[in-house]
Amino acid sequence: KAGVTQTPRYLIKTRGQQVTLSCSPISGHRSVSWYQQTPGQGLQFLFEYFSETQRNKGNFPGRFSGRQFSNSRSEMNVSTLELGDSALYLCASSLGHLRNTEAFFGQGTRLTVV
Amino acid sequence: AQTVTQSQPEMSVQEAETVTLSCTYDTSESDYYLFWYKQPPSRQMILVIRQEAYKQQNATENRFSVNFQKAAKSFSLKISDSQLGDAAMYFCAYRSGEDSNYQLIWGAGTKLIIKP
Repeated sequence: KAGVTQTPRYLIKTRGQQVTLSCSPISGHRSVSWYQQTPGQGLQFLFEYFSETQRNKGNFPGRFSGRQFSNSRSEMNVSTLELGDSALYLCASSLGHLRNTEAFFGQGTRLTVV
Repeated sequence: AQTVTQSQPEMSVQEAETVTLSCTYDTSESDYYLFWYKQPPSRQMILVIRQEAYKQQNATENRFSVNFQKAAKSFSLKISDSQLGDAAMYFCAYRSGEDSNYQLIWGAGTKLIIKP
């Protein structure tokens, strides 16, 4: 079956702009989580959506937001981009309703803010 | 709050040898999961092995095994018969056993170099 698909793979934006990243989970998976990966801060949890509802949220400013659609696809949006938002953004999907469930990751979107 | 610590930024091993990557964590929870993920240059996170805290038996997946010491809050990964394809960043991660909490808390990672 198809894996987790993130689009686009690479993105270059200017400070102050906004950006939308997309994640299509594995078919049947209802949970989508987003992580930011940077050399300085490592991997940090942004938020998790399950059945169109944000279930958990990390410690990021309000400029970072997300949503999930009825087909479980998820988008995350970053407004008023800052240089520090340059990172690899990873999406993970899982069934979301079983305790012992594995998270499958996409290949990430590399965002560069100039 | 839970934390995960990987104290080895980089490790190297000769091909076919055995290497152990260290991970310690801090939590007040009794029910949780621990994972080792591999991130090759392709950047995609791949699950290597997982351990449920309530299981005393150490998890094993082919050449990969863990040494889970719950009292010491230690979770090391042993790679036997190292292969060139094992070269990657390895991340230790923690997840609460609480229902509806799928957040992964990550260590800083260990870069594993395989010498041919």
